Amino acid sequence: QVTLRESGPALVKPTQTLTLTCTFSGFSLSTSGMCVSWIRQPPGKALEWLALIDWDDDKYYSTSLKTRLTISKDTSKNQVVLTMTNMDPVDTATYYCARYRTYSSSSEFDYWGQGTLVTVSS
Amino acid sequence: SSELTQDPAVSVALGQTVRITCQGDSLRSYYASWYQQKPGQAPVLVIYGKNNRPSGIPDRFSGSSSGNTASLTITGAQAEDEADYYCNSRDSSGNSVVFGGGTKLTVL
Repeated sequence: QVTLRESGPALVKPTQTLTLTCTFSGFSLSTSGMCVSWIRQPPGKALEWLALIDWDDDKYYSTSLKTRLTISKDTSKNQVVLTMTNMDPVDTATYYCARYRTYSSSSEFDYWGQGTLVTVSS
Repeated sequence: SSELTQDPAVSVALGQTVRITCQGDSLRSYYASWYQQKPGQAPVLVIYGKNNRPSGIPDRFSGSSSGNTASLTITGAQAEDEADYYCNSRDSSGNSVVFGGGTKLTVL
């Protein structure tokens, strides 16, 4: 059974750095084709992809946010960590982690965490 | 291009068929996947690959693709299908991921 769970602060102040942890089970991030990704969703708005790390430790970032994001993994702990620097109120959103399977021409987020709401406010 | 375009809102009468579309250059190279999101819940994968449904997704959901357009079709829409639907694919470079802006489906 695949599960993912996000954890981190519910409230951060402007200019602070956000650190979120995704703890997963039921699969190995060392398996070819397996990835873990972060996606966010501001209240009432659309999903926005943020970052992805794959089985080979390759990392991919949203072009618009790449200067602020760092993704890393600890395979032994089954965890993926996302840091986002210089937080702003517009970064208030529900942050999801999700498993991403990738093949040659097909890829999908097949399992999602329940999400964690992060509010940026002083 | 790194964009996927969806109609913001679509409505369908109960029991009728509805098609939700997603357009983008990357869809000429990569399949789209589709997600259903109900209020207060995480998205759920409903269609992936050429036309595959995860276990537990009703067979009234189907997917197709032509050129730069991917489509999600619900044949015989039910009240419980009322939700936001998002498409997703890699971008044209294959090194990034992109979501469409979402389509709010109303079942009348």
